[in-house]
Amino acid sequence: NAGVTQTPKFQVLKTGQSMTLQCAQDMNHEYMSWYRQDPGMGLRLIHYSVGAGITDQGEVPNGYNVSRSTTEDFPLRLLSAAPSQTSVYFCASSYGQSDQPQHFGDGTRLSIL
Amino acid sequence: KQEVTQIPAALSVPEGENLVLNCSFTDSAIYNLQWFRQDPGKGLTSLLLIQSSQREQTSGRLNASLDKSSGRSTLYIAASQPGDSATYLCAVRPWGNNDMRFGAGTRLTVKP
Repeated sequence: NAGVTQTPKFQVLKTGQSMTLQCAQDMNHEYMSWYRQDPGMGLRLIHYSVGAGITDQGEVPNGYNVSRSTTEDFPLRLLSAAPSQTSVYFCASSYGQSDQPQHFGDGTRLSIL
Repeated sequence: KQEVTQIPAALSVPEGENLVLNCSFTDSAIYNLQWFRQDPGKGLTSLLLIQSSQREQTSGRLNASLDKSSGRSTLYIAASQPGDSATYLCAVRPWGNNDMRFGAGTRLTVKP
């Protein structure tokens, strides 16, 4: 049981490049979400999904796209990378949306030059 | 907008000491509150989840309390150990909102 797996662990991009951060979970969780963590700040929600085919925006969605074609996978796409998107990105999942503890991946450390 | 604050930002204690970490939030209309542990370079591990109808939760040496009316939660760690060294974050889920709000965390160092 791998839990929540994020790839890659590290990535350096140039401004304007696009890329996809991968997130997969093997716990059959319906709810999945993406957060970013910046120094001195708490995690902020980017996008979330309550099930396959359903996604919605969080607090800071601009510059990011998501899709949920399967229960297991929830990729996050950076459309045109900007230095302000330099951050650590975490994917999380849980059985329920509100009353179950969330399980987090180990994060992707992304630097935009 | 819900704001979550954790004070202090950093705390250093000798091994064996009992300690309290604080979390405050501005809006008492919450669904639940969760305490997490984060080790360097790692993701978050859920420690305790307190539903809005509950006053406290316990797991081993950890005890978390919730006082919604005052907008406060505390995480009590008994008999601290060097292995407890990590950053501890609290997060609240507001009613009718899918956006969990996180504090910036308290970085705890337990010295042998």
